Amino acid sequence: QVQLQESGPGLVRPSQTVSLTCLVSGGPINSGTHYWSWMRQSAGKGLEWIGRIYGNGDANYNPSLKSRVTMSVDTSKNQLSLNLASVTAADTAVYYCARMNGKWFEESFYYYALDVWGQGTTVIVSS
Amino acid sequence: DIVMTQSPDSLAVSLGERATISCRSSQSVLYSSNNKNYLAWFQQKPGQPPKLLIYWASIRHSGVPDRFSGSGSGTDFTLTISTLQAEDVAVYYCQQYDSSPWTFGQGTKVEIK
Repeated sequence: QVQLQESGPGLVRPSQTVSLTCLVSGGPINSGTHYWSWMRQSAGKGLEWIGRIYGNGDANYNPSLKSRVTMSVDTSKNQLSLNLASVTAADTAVYYCARMNGKWFEESFYYYALDVWGQGTTVIVSS
Repeated sequence: DIVMTQSPDSLAVSLGERATISCRSSQSVLYSSNNKNYLAWFQQKPGQPPKLLIYWASIRHSGVPDRFSGSGSGTDFTLTISTLQAEDVAVYYCQQYDSSPWTFGQGTKVEIK
């Protein structure tokens, strides 16, 4: 059974870059049957999708964060990484990684939902 | 961006009674390739991550009790808890994943009356 575990620095100073990792256990990170997403949740903005990344490293980002976000995959460690640059207090949130899983339906393969989530890691931006 | 609007923001329901949550998207989330609505429902309890309940608008995820059901198509969707149990107290979110950026509703808090 796939499990995800996020980790990060906890406290980050304004204008710095925060780096988060998501360790994937119980399955390969670069299977063709799923890909990975990052979300964050803050009291002010609710749940926000940050972006997604496939096992080959192809990524798509939320346009609202695109200029500051970089996602990557490390297949040797079976982990994902998220870098968010130039952080401000508005980036204070719980950050989650999750798996977008796929299935066969009527002889075609489709991705169907974010079915496994990590417990989340809290990032506080403060001086 | 597709805006997801849930109603109500909160509701209190007696144990064993029905709870109904609505979710409206600002545009259709129907994926033409498989004629499925790319709409999911999640349950979130305090201190926990969201938990998938329903995907493709009406398909119950593995292990989810059958008192949870989803319906709707296009832009209007409903999550129904047929007989509310104490363990169902949580915040419920809808999410569209048809169009990037994926977006979530603001959440509906379900409590016991």
